[in-house]
Amino acid sequence: AQSVAQPEDQVNVAEGNPLTVKCTYSVSGNPYLFWYVQYPNRGLQFLLKYITGDNLVKGSYGFEAEFNKSQTSFHLKKPSALVSDSALYFCAVRDKSGNTPLVFGKGTRLSVIA
Amino acid sequence: DGGITQSPKYLFRKEGQNVTLSCEQNLNHDAMYWYRQDPGQGLRLIYYSQIVNDFQKGDIAEGYSVSREKKESFPLTVTSAQKNPTAFYLCASSIAGRTRESYSNQPQHFGDGTRLSIL
Repeated sequence: AQSVAQPEDQVNVAEGNPLTVKCTYSVSGNPYLFWYVQYPNRGLQFLLKYITGDNLVKGSYGFEAEFNKSQTSFHLKKPSALVSDSALYFCAVRDKSGNTPLVFGKGTRLSVIA
Repeated sequence: DGGITQSPKYLFRKEGQNVTLSCEQNLNHDAMYWYRQDPGQGLRLIYYSQIVNDFQKGDIAEGYSVSREKKESFPLTVTSAQKNPTAFYLCASSIAGRTRESYSNQPQHFGDGTRLSIL
């Protein structure tokens, strides 16, 4: 069975500082990994995905994520946080060999303070 | 503009009533999904469909029903058997792909949700 853990319910960071939102995963084979962002009363917006190759993946709005196979992690990062980055962030996983929907973590609320 | 349209944005259900949430997409995606979002619980899968006239139960299908008569549409009915229907419901779609791998690496695209409350 596939699963995703986002160990922090809330992350607070000052504007201009780097941010990290953590994600660890569990799959039986090789993973496809995704990050999404949700603003209030909106659907989820796709940020980036890891398929294969370079462990550092770049996505929308200056976000990037680092895939670490040995630690089964896929942490989301941004070098300099903006107040407008404040939102709910979801990590999701799918087994490469599977034919199933994405499995989502419970989400991490990011607050960027001016 | 291509996208996923969910309607209505807000919906109220009376005791014993069935209500239907609409989801339409013009992205030509084969696969469609319904999720329920409750505070602190993330997204939980209700039903999904990978092709017209076929659908599978997700993790929390009890009290819900779906149909997939057209590629563009995947309506969700919240029946009176669902005793705790108050939640934010999200519809999503994705390209199915010709191979299992090409399906698996595709992101899901989401609508803007329907918020369902009990009167």
